[in-house]
Amino acid sequence: EAGVTQFPSHSVIEKGQTVTLRCDPISGHDNLYWYRRVMGKEIKFLLHFVKESKQDESGMPNNRFLAERTGGTYSTLKVQPAELEDSGVYFCASSQGLVGETQYFGPGTRLLVL
Amino acid sequence: GNSVTQMEGPVTLSEEAFLTINCTYTATGYPSLFWYVQYPGEGLQLLLKATKADDKGSNKGFEATYRKETTSFHLEKGSVQVSDSAVYFCALNNPGGSYIPTFGRGTSLIVHP
Repeated sequence: EAGVTQFPSHSVIEKGQTVTLRCDPISGHDNLYWYRRVMGKEIKFLLHFVKESKQDESGMPNNRFLAERTGGTYSTLKVQPAELEDSGVYFCASSQGLVGETQYFGPGTRLLVL
Repeated sequence: GNSVTQMEGPVTLSEEAFLTINCTYTATGYPSLFWYVQYPGEGLQLLLKATKADDKGSNKGFEATYRKETTSFHLEKGSVQVSDSAVYFCALNNPGGSYIPTFGRGTSLIVHP
């Protein structure tokens, strides 16, 4: 069974540009989560989809971030325009159930904004 | 609010040395506690967990005991291997049924032959 995959693995962009990150969850997992780890700090929750619906987006930092999950399969996270403080590692995770269910994480996308 | 504090790294050890990575937490109620591991180039994997006080989680030679009196969940391994080199994250599930973990900052472990 394929795990959670993320694309690209690395991205280097200039301040003001747009970047789109993609996450493919494990097949059949309704729950999809985005997290971010800024260098040397905690992994922070960004948002949670149940199928195509946003269940919780309380962790989204501001309106420059837009997440979508059309069709309830893969998800994209767009940053527009990117700022220096957006640099970090963006993780995606998926799970079948909800409370107490193990989340399976992808390898992350390393974003560097110059 | 809830928080997790881990010892800063990197922790550098020789193969077969004893490992301890400290983790303490702040939470209301009775959280579940976790250790995740991220090997180079891979995603986070759940290493072990404990759901109530005095529980001991164990996996791959690693273990951690849920100590409510000291609000700690220290990770230990008796004899580390080079293949254990990774970043280790302590985390808790917010009390009240939330499924979103609160993570610590991560501790990098480097094991030399």
